[in-house]
Amino acid sequence: ETGVTQSPTHLIKTRGQQVTLRCSSQSGHNTVSWYQQALGQGPQFIFQYYREEENGRGNFPPRFSGLQFPNYSSELNVNALELDDSALYLCASSLTPSTDTQYFGPGTRLTVL
Amino acid sequence: SQQGEEDPQALSIQEGENATMNCSYKTSINNLQWYRQNSGRGLVHLILIRSNEREKHSGRLRVTLDTSKKSSSLLITASRAADTASYFCATDPSNTGNQFYFGTGTSLTVIP
Repeated sequence: ETGVTQSPTHLIKTRGQQVTLRCSSQSGHNTVSWYQQALGQGPQFIFQYYREEENGRGNFPPRFSGLQFPNYSSELNVNALELDDSALYLCASSLTPSTDTQYFGPGTRLTVL
Repeated sequence: SQQGEEDPQALSIQEGENATMNCSYKTSINNLQWYRQNSGRGLVHLILIRSNEREKHSGRLRVTLDTSKKSSSLLITASRAADTASYFCATDPSNTGNQFYFGTGTSLTVIP
């Protein structure tokens, strides 16, 4: 158990819809990072939030956006869903924005039909 | 593209044997980490090795890092059926600050 939770566990959406995924970090962790993991691949970095501000972004379009709240919860929003967005979405919390140990949640499996 | 690549892609061994998996990366790094993932769920941190370290141990795990060859290896000794999982290396290139790059992973199966 890493103390990081995500909801929902599974989600099915149709192309063009919007989705919000949620993450609850470990208490005291000011940093949350989001990853997309396609089947059979390693996780790909989407973005990181530190103290409620975006603090780095990977190669993902603007329709992927996020929010971080003072209570150690955060959201990943994806607009205009595409079939290729089907993946496992992982959040990871850490004490600092540096690349020390990250604690991952169990993930949300998103299927886009 | 992903920074790290694990080798082999899949590995099947008998319980009690040792398992070795390798990771190669492309640019200079601050540190390298190994993670484990069971059945497509969340990743569990195993070990972190910094760029100025050459070897690190944690229980049955031994990690080596060769920055001149841009490679790392993870050795699991006396494997158990419960070690069956996918193993990923993650690097943080020195010029990207706070981003992790994961490889495609090694799928390890330990046969009882």
